[in-house]
Amino acid sequence: DAGITQSPRHKVTETGTPVTLRCHQTENHRYMYWYRQDPGHGLRLIHYSYGVKDTDKGEVSDGYSVSRSKTEDFLLTLESATSSQTSVYFCAISEEGSNEQFFGPGTRLTVL
Amino acid sequence: AQSVTQPDIHITVSEGASLELRCNYSYGATPYLFWYVQSPGQGLQLLLKYFSGDTLVQGIKGFEAEFKRSQSSFNLRKPSVHWSDAAEYFCAVGPYTGRRALTFGSGTRLQVQP
Repeated sequence: DAGITQSPRHKVTETGTPVTLRCHQTENHRYMYWYRQDPGHGLRLIHYSYGVKDTDKGEVSDGYSVSRSKTEDFLLTLESATSSQTSVYFCAISEEGSNEQFFGPGTRLTVL
Repeated sequence: AQSVTQPDIHITVSEGASLELRCNYSYGATPYLFWYVQSPGQGLQLLLKYFSGDTLVQGIKGFEAEFKRSQSSFNLRKPSVHWSDAAEYFCAVGPYTGRRALTFGSGTRLQVQP
């Protein structure tokens, strides 16, 4: 299995609080992605990164920000969590020259 | 814009029966196609992928998929389903390089009856 970890694995928080999810890889892959998974929607891209300090928005980026200061870490921040952000969040990685993506175990976030 | 349609939300098959999960895509260039499987509470695992070459690709766990450009389809098949195949299956399409991410279908949940 690709070396991808996500933390925390589960989190319950309240509306209006900031939340940061972490994705850590040991594969030294260039590309990293954050997706959210909701019933009936499959996985939808939030943000992705194509290198340290290089990020871009996906289709559902509103209310989310990301940072990547090191190759191995990609952080997803909800500045002020809302109930609509209750979801399962997956991190994925891919290496240069391939779009084959490897997924982390996911983080289940509940916003009350 | 690229898109993926998985027309079957839920499929039930008997153990030992054959399986075909449908996937139709819309993509402006040569597509890079994937099938992933997700067991309950787990992340996604790659079953197989297609970019070029033989249009029938073999994957793990006895799965195969056939790329049909004329039909914009990439259907997943297995000749004999096992109870452990019960899971959710996602088809995805994207570019060959990694600068842009994959677009996923909404998934097909497979239930296997004894």
